[in-house]
Amino acid sequence: QQQVKQSPQSLIVQKGGIPIINCAYENTAFDYFPWYQQFPGKGPALLIAIRPDVSEKKEGRFTISFNKSAKQFSLHIMDSQPGDSATYFCAACVSGGGADGLTFGKGTHLIIQP
Amino acid sequence: DVKVTQSSRYLVKRTGEKVFLECVQDMDHENMFWYRQDPGLGLRLIYFSYDVKMKEKGDIPEGYSVSREKKERFSLILESASTNQTSMYLCASSILWTGGGYTFGSGTRLTVV
Repeated sequence: QQQVKQSPQSLIVQKGGIPIINCAYENTAFDYFPWYQQFPGKGPALLIAIRPDVSEKKEGRFTISFNKSAKQFSLHIMDSQPGDSATYFCAACVSGGGADGLTFGKGTHLIIQP
Repeated sequence: DVKVTQSSRYLVKRTGEKVFLECVQDMDHENMFWYRQDPGLGLRLIYFSYDVKMKEKGDIPEGYSVSREKKERFSLILESASTNQTSMYLCASSILWTGGGYTFGSGTRLTVV
């Protein structure tokens, strides 16, 4: 199975809150899990990524939590700001194998209210 | 600092027309991809290529073809455009075997009338 399920579809959080976006996958061969951030009129840009040998990765205010046994991973945004308002995509792939590209979740439209 | 360039931001074409979407990357990446983005459906892979003249079908290749005659250029072709191909098309590139560090272009919004 190549599917990656992402939730919620949309999310509104007050400034300073911690939005959490969740993703679940089925293919146990997936070994690379990036998150992409997309602003209106722009292409997605790589935000942060994790491999399954670690359970958490932080880059600035963004944290990925990874649960290999549950086949789930999530994005947390600490001290969220209005500038974080964007669409976020989780993704997964099998690295290094000539794979058929990233499999993306359907996206979460995040709004951070001032 | 533009690395993946899509030739058009907006296109309007008529049903039945042959449409070419062009993508150029200047990072010497081996892999190139075409995705379409639709509300509620996320990003879906149309075709990808890991070398010149090589192409592989993605999840939704029907109605599309691709061409990669040079390493830096990957073209998406709609042989006979239909209204259900109205969408945002995104090109991306990556280093071979990189495990997902894709660089995307800004997209081409295609409307077929």
